[in-house]
Amino acid sequence: QVQLQESGPGLVKPSGTLSLTCAVSGGSISSTNWWTWVRQPPGKGLEWIGEIYHSGNTNYNPSLKSRVTISVDKSKNQFALKLSSVTAADTAVYYCSRKRCSGGSCSWFDPWGQGTLVTVSS
Amino acid sequence: QSALTQPASVSGSPGQSITISCTGTSSDVGSYNLVSWYQQHPGKAPKLMIYEVSKRPSGVSNRFSGSRSGNTASLTISGLQAEDEADYYCCSYAGFSTYVFGTGTKVTVL
Repeated sequence: QVQLQESGPGLVKPSGTLSLTCAVSGGSISSTNWWTWVRQPPGKGLEWIGEIYHSGNTNYNPSLKSRVTISVDKSKNQFALKLSSVTAADTAVYYCSRKRCSGGSCSWFDPWGQGTLVTVSS
Repeated sequence: QSALTQPASVSGSPGQSITISCTGTSSDVGSYNLVSWYQQHPGKAPKLMIYEVSKRPSGVSNRFSGSRSGNTASLTISGLQAEDEADYYCCSYAGFSTYVFGTGTKVTVL
């Protein structure tokens, strides 16, 4: 059973870069899945950030694309998120998840990590 | 890419049925059978409840069902129980390898 665990600094300064890692256990990151980041500002809804395949192919939310980089480290069975030039608006709980596929289409997210709160503040 | 529109809140008494709508556009909900629904209890991670509009993952109660008509998807919870009180989010494929979530609905069991 695949499990995901986010880790990284809980506090980032404005204009800095947010860096998080998602460790995958119970399965290989090289399986036929995409690996995804989603965030949720306090008291607000979910926002899809982007995804990566083990080959390194990525897709990003157009609204964040200029600031987001998602990478994969197959040797450590983990993937990472970097978000640059952060502001207070990037304060959120960040979740990693696996995008599941069926019959050639991939569209749902399961399971999810427990999430990690990142606060942008000086 | 705008968030899908959901009612802010829906309530019902135990045993009743409620339906949560999720309205998008012809570029997302209306074009693909790729709508999923997530339940989120306070302080917890989202949990998959429905995928591909109406399919239910193993372990999810058959009281949860999904459907779609045009640009609007719906989640119905029948036989409402206290444990169903949570936030619910829809999500749709939006083309060009991107996804969009709904605004979220708080379900209250009266």
